[in-house]
Amino acid sequence: DADVTQTPRNRITKTGKRIMLECSQTKGHDRMYWYRQDPGLGLRLIYYSFDVKDINKGEISDGYSVSRQAQAKFSLSLESAIPNQTALYFCATSVLSIRGGYNEQFFGPGTRLTVL
Amino acid sequence: GQNIDQPTEMTATEGAIVQINCTYQTSGFNGLFWYQQHAGEAPTFLSYNVLDGLEEKGRFSSFLSRSKGYSYLLLKELQMKDSASYLCAVREMWYKLSFGAGTTVTVRA
Repeated sequence: DADVTQTPRNRITKTGKRIMLECSQTKGHDRMYWYRQDPGLGLRLIYYSFDVKDINKGEISDGYSVSRQAQAKFSLSLESAIPNQTALYFCATSVLSIRGGYNEQFFGPGTRLTVL
Repeated sequence: GQNIDQPTEMTATEGAIVQINCTYQTSGFNGLFWYQQHAGEAPTFLSYNVLDGLEEKGRFSSFLSRSKGYSYLLLKELQMKDSASYLCAVREMWYKLSFGAGTTVTVRA
């Protein structure tokens, strides 16, 4: 089974609709992230969370909100979707390691969102 | 802000070597990552450099020069399955990874 899962994998919606993207992980990691990927722009950070009580805005948080329901779950909401939010969305996790190590991020399979 | 540059596309022949360069100007530096991403799939971790020099991992090697703000990923003995996008990412702070736009490598038979 995948360590980081995202639902749905594909979604087509209309302008103005509220959309929630969900992310779950079984890695036991405390840090979780939401990114969007657009052609030619690379991955951009929307929100990140270090634990259930900690939520932080990334570089492009406008129009998005998040909820960390549990250590293993981190949801991204688009309150009123608009066409320029059409993108590939990735959830990622990483572990806090004060002793060093790579602390690389592990990515979910992505959600392809189309806003018409 | 941050600026991470890498070429958009590269093409090489099966069995050959390809070098993907990445230059960066960031407000902080706590390591540089390379990720591989096949079309429509999640990025997967390839390598990490935090000190200057070369890190070798099988057919893949990554080099870092912090003073020059420069890294490269070297792919040797190219295989068709290496056709993918390769993402350079700089960790500016412990929570913040900044990504380049990615280099699409096409391996031809």
